[in-house]
Amino acid sequence: QVRLVESGGGVVQPGRSLRLSCVASGFTFRSYGMHWVRQAPGKGLEWVAVISFDGGNEYYADSVKDRFTISRDSSKNTLYLQMNSLRTEDTAVYYCAKDTGDLPLDYWGQGTLVTVSS
Amino acid sequence: DIQMTQSPSTLSASVGDRVTITCRASQTSISWLAWYQQKPGKAPKLLIYKASSLQSGVPSRFSGSGSGTEFTLTISSLQPDDFATYYCQQYNSYPWTFGQGTKVEIK
Repeated sequence: QVRLVESGGGVVQPGRSLRLSCVASGFTFRSYGMHWVRQAPGKGLEWVAVISFDGGNEYYADSVKDRFTISRDSSKNTLYLQMNSLRTEDTAVYYCAKDTGDLPLDYWGQGTLVTVSS
Repeated sequence: DIQMTQSPSTLSASVGDRVTITCRASQTSISWLAWYQQKPGKAPKLLIYKASSLQSGVPSRFSGSGSGTEFTLTISSLQPDDFATYYCQQYNSYPWTFGQGTKVEIK
């Protein structure tokens, strides 16, 4: 069955960096686009970024553009989110999710919490 | 960017009630709209895609309708497991955007 497992969250000071990982199993990872979506404590869902199945295309939310970079390593079935210049408003649970085209985000991981605080 | 506005923000209902949640897009006609259910401490779950297609395994009491800029999610007979927060999301164009959520509470 499809499984997505995020890791890498934690407490980090403003201005510092953090890299999240999402290990995928149960499907042909290299065939699907992958996304990051976040949710600040007590708030709604915010789409963050997407990378195409082959890594050739990336799109970002304006709130993270030029600070975050999405990437993938299909040899390791792993999705990444490199987060630089972190701000307190980046504090959230970060989810990775699979994209099947017609079905936008049909499988999600359990999420990893990032807390940006001094 | 396309902004998605849901109403109401909170809805109080009883088991067996018919429940309707509305989602409006700020601009342009969209074709690619999804609905998700989220329970506290859990990841969202896809319910509806392409505005009206039911995701595999989702009970048939859930249905989606609408076109253009106005869409609805209907639960025909609310069950205890349905008390949760529901989000619409457009995937017509990047950046993808979610509605602010509708919390369905027990009356």
